[in-house]
Parts: sequence; structure tokens; C-alpha cells
Amino acid sequence: DIVMTQTPLSSPVTLGQPASISCRSSQSLVHSDGNTYLSWLQQRPGQPPRLLIYKISNRFSGVPDRFSGSGAGTDFTLKISRVEAEDVGVYYCMQATQFPWTFGQGTKVEIK
Amino acid sequence: QLQLQESGPGLVKPSETLSLTCTVSGGSISSSSYYWGWIRQPPGKGLEWIGSIYYSGSTYYNPSLKSRVTISVDTSKNQFSLKLSSVTAADTAVYYCASMVRRAFDIWGQGTMVTVSS
Repeated sequence: DIVMTQTPLSSPVTLGQPASISCRSSQSLVHSDGNTYLSWLQQRPGQPPRLLIYKISNRFSGVPDRFSGSGAGTDFTLKISRVEAEDVGVYYCMQATQFPWTFGQGTKVEIK
Repeated sequence: QLQLQESGPGLVKPSETLSLTCTVSGGSISSSSYYWGWIRQPPGKGLEWIGSIYYSGSTYYNPSLKSRVTISVDTSKNQFSLKLSSVTAADTAVYYCASMVRRAFDIWGQGTMVTVSS
């Protein structure tokens, strides 16, 4: 199985300041079709997960442009340019390149 | 707009079979655009992919659960279902159904809490 490792596990952030979450995979996430199936999800307290980013850097419909994704191969990053109060929650990376699809352990973003 | 809703018993006895249904509205479960999947989240923990089904009926299961899992589609009802047999307390979790396009889970149900207890 591909292991997804996120750092940090907790990220206290000041409102209006940037935040960054790293996700590293134990194997390359480049699929044989040339795509890299790495996505990012946000889970607000008491809510189901919500898709933010797919295929490394594509923002899903309705996602604010303060969220951005980058990376390649085995190293990926989610950045929030200016954290807002509604961004509090747990963020997960997920790979769907190779079965079984796997998630990172989650990074909790909270306001200082 | 696509919407998904899980339904099923909230309490299952140990060794019995957990059965959940996901009803899809706002789109066809037979669409070639989608995979359909089940993901679970034990209380206070992270997400675990259980398995997925493609519109063609092809299924893909997490090997950690494969011997106990069956996912199926009922196109007449626009639903897909999860059966997990021989459950134990370790299967207590919130169970989510979700659609997948471009190999990302884009639309999620609200989730349903299933407790395994006698």
C-alpha cells in the first residue's frame, strides 16, 4: 500500500496569515496514464469531507482561490494564502493512483 | 446537482452484517463519469477507503477488508450499497458514500454513524 505522510499534524495559524501542509507518498503517484491522482480534502468540525484540490493543483468548483496545491512525484503541498476562520478543520491528502486508495493521517488547522 | 445520502441501521451486533445504502439524486448512477465509493471514519480518527464500484459493475476493495466487503449497484433505484460481514467493535465508525470523478472524491454524503455493540 502507498503510505501518505502529512506534516505537520497540527498547525496553529494567525488569521490572515498563510498556512502550508506537506504530504509525502511512499511511492511515486504518477499513474501509467501520465496523471498524478493526488487530492486534498477539508473536513470542518462535524461535517463530511469536502474536496478542495484534485490532480495536485486543480481547484474544485467553488473552492476559494486562497487554496492552492503543488508538487510532483512523491512530494505535495497544500497552501492557504491567508487563513480565515472558516478554514478551521482537518485537511487530508489522498492518493488514487494505486489501489488501495489511501489517505494521509490528517492535519488539524486551528486559529492561534 | 449531485447529492448522496446514506441510510441503514445505526446499531449492528458483533458478528452480524452491516448493510448500508447510498441514494444518488441529481444524476444517474449509470453514468460512465463516476466511480462510487464507501469511506469510513472511526470516532476521532482519520479516513479509510473501503471500496468502490464503477458504473460497469467493476468493484475495487481495500485488501484489509476485502474478505468481508461487498459493494453493489441497483440502477433501478439509483442506489449503491455496502455490506460488511462479521463486524466487530473495530468497525464502529461514520460511514460515508461519495462519488468520484477524475479520481477524486468530489461529492460526499453527510455520513451515517454505525455502532457495533451487543
